Amino acid sequence: DAKTTQPPSMDCAEGRAANLPCNHSTISGNEYVYWYRQIHSQGPQYIIHGLKNNETNEMASLIITEDRKSSTLILPHATLRDTAVYYCIVRVFNAGNMLTFGGGTRLMVKP
Amino acid sequence: EAQVTQNPRYLITVTGKKLTVTCSQNMNHEYMSWYRQDPGLGLRQIYYSMNVEVTDKGDVPEGYKVSRKEKRNFPLILESPSPNQTSLYFCASSDASWRGGTDTQYFGPGTRLTVL
Repeated sequence: DAKTTQPPSMDCAEGRAANLPCNHSTISGNEYVYWYRQIHSQGPQYIIHGLKNNETNEMASLIITEDRKSSTLILPHATLRDTAVYYCIVRVFNAGNMLTFGGGTRLMVKP
Repeated sequence: EAQVTQNPRYLITVTGKKLTVTCSQNMNHEYMSWYRQDPGLGLRQIYYSMNVEVTDKGDVPEGYKVSRKEKRNFPLILESPSPNQTSLYFCASSDASWRGGTDTQYFGPGTRLTVL
């Protein structure tokens, strides 16, 4: 799986959009970008994934650059409950193997 | 409600006393996995299973056993626990299979194990 780089921490005001960047410059053509988050020692939670097109679901939007070397997870209206560590993972789809979680970004949503 | 359950959620035990952590999923997933999470080391895979009676080692299998006799259950067994197995354990399942699927992993709530 390709290596990812994320900022260690970010702050966001409640109600504002949270934009979490991820660099994955060594991504290969068959690798997807996945985002998970972990709220204080709870089980990691899947958020969204994509290959090259932008994706949106009820939780977030995923914007992938045209060269696929970076992406941004957008939480459109962050709430205090969105405070968590967010992990960007690049992996081959349906590999049936483990997830490799890097350091992630600790997002603090403040009132 | 689709979920992965683990029991117990918290366990304190002593060195050498065999224990089992249960994991069950109600999503009919073929793929299940166990991870441990330690400060500064992230999530590391212990064992995984692609289907009933099919298991394989992950990154850190030493000191652990698993079995997959039914699709819904994937227990983690520590035959002789040691203090270095004190950790936070997560079970996960996904619909990944050789036939396709979304490959989205669903995690249980975690089991915090302390071995004295």
